[in-house]
Amino acid sequence: GAVVSQHPSWVICKSGTSVKIECRSLDFQATTMFWYRQFPKQSLMLMATSNEGSKATYEQGVEKDKFLINHASLTLSTLTVTSAHPEDSSFYICSARDFGGLGETQYFGPGTRLLVL
Amino acid sequence: SQQGEEDPQALSIQEGENATMNCSYKTSINNLQWYRQNSGRGLVHLILIRSNEREKHSGRLRVTLDTSKKSSSLLITASRAADTASYFCATDTNAGKSTFGDGTTLTVKP
Repeated sequence: GAVVSQHPSWVICKSGTSVKIECRSLDFQATTMFWYRQFPKQSLMLMATSNEGSKATYEQGVEKDKFLINHASLTLSTLTVTSAHPEDSSFYICSARDFGGLGETQYFGPGTRLLVL
Repeated sequence: SQQGEEDPQALSIQEGENATMNCSYKTSINNLQWYRQNSGRGLVHLILIRSNEREKHSGRLRVTLDTSKKSSSLLITASRAADTASYFCATDTNAGKSTFGDGTTLTVKP
């Protein structure tokens, strides 16, 4: 099946620094990727839809200037958490749809755990 | 707010028993998917059921969908300790994005 990777798998940073997370579709092209955030013992909350070659679409309440998304190619989307603070500590998961296949199934990355000290 | 609500929030059973989890949603959907998540890990896609389907099977998994009640259930038969995980339903709408339910934490005791 389709594979989506994320890098890094975990990151610890100091408050005020920026962190970049990469999401790659390894064996298919993804014109659309999605970024989710999951706090401990909670469900996944959609943050934004990443569109290749255009601006991301953010969900209500998500600061676009804080969570910068770039979808520069059909296989790579990046999420940059700018000026990270402890409350940004969370599990960030990306997903991508394989429109070359069934098109209906989202494939999820393994997630990136961010801890901001 | 989340589209879906799942119940129970937590379920504890003995190995070999069946586990049933329910998911309700609010708006019209194109399809509904069930995912599994082991603690601290990413999501694994289990099964997709389209809005015009009523039941689907995959191995020990059985999913039903009742669009009139806007609800779905996931049945895991003959559970194993390795089935211990959180299970989420997610609904796909015309917008193309998935909205997740709150999840059910399943514990299967050996």
